[in-house]
Amino acid sequence: QQQVKQSPQSLIVQKGGISIINCAYENTAFDYFPWYQQFPGKGPALLIAIRPDVSEKKEGRFTISFNKSAKQFSLHIMDSQPGDSATYFCAALAGGGSEKLVFGKGTKLTVNP
Amino acid sequence: GAVVSQHPSWVICKSGTSVKIECRSLDFQATTMFWYRQFPKQSLMLMATSNEGSKATYEQGVEKDKFLINHASLTLSTLTVTSAHPEDSSFYICSARDGGSPYEQYFGPGTRLTVT
Repeated sequence: QQQVKQSPQSLIVQKGGISIINCAYENTAFDYFPWYQQFPGKGPALLIAIRPDVSEKKEGRFTISFNKSAKQFSLHIMDSQPGDSATYFCAALAGGGSEKLVFGKGTKLTVNP
Repeated sequence: GAVVSQHPSWVICKSGTSVKIECRSLDFQATTMFWYRQFPKQSLMLMATSNEGSKATYEQGVEKDKFLINHASLTLSTLTVTSAHPEDSSFYICSARDGGSPYEQYFGPGTRLTVT
């Protein structure tokens, strides 16, 4: 019940295309859903996050879509660029004192020029 | 804002020695810090959670006597790998939660530990 399932494991997109990464969860106590971007040899960087009271959040080329009834959320990267090539992790957290982030297994995104 | 630093960024040590890794929140007070371990091409594995002035809470399967965590101030946490062995070689990453925010966690750049 604590798992966050992430797909696909790897993704190859052409420059200018849309990258879509999906995550699903079971624990209905989760109330914070961040996405992290990690480059090789670096720590993860918070990219964008959403709370379940909204269905979509957009920051620049990055959009989170959230479907509470389906317990799914996804990251869309519009106009994907080679510089977006990285590993992306979705995560979930249940507030109210339980502060542990539960991570998906990651998606390695490659954007070809 | 919300910058977390780690030192050193990489370290090589001999088997049997101890290594200390520092994690600092540079522009905010971190009431809670987390330590993760990441193997190549894998996700982050939470090792322990530490609150300032309290003993760390370790995840199941993590040896607390081997991985000593100290969170002495609101801006500094340290992880000491004692009697390191080659299997302890990994990428260690800390994160810090801003005391003013109940959710956001900011990650450090990581420390690559190689035990020979």
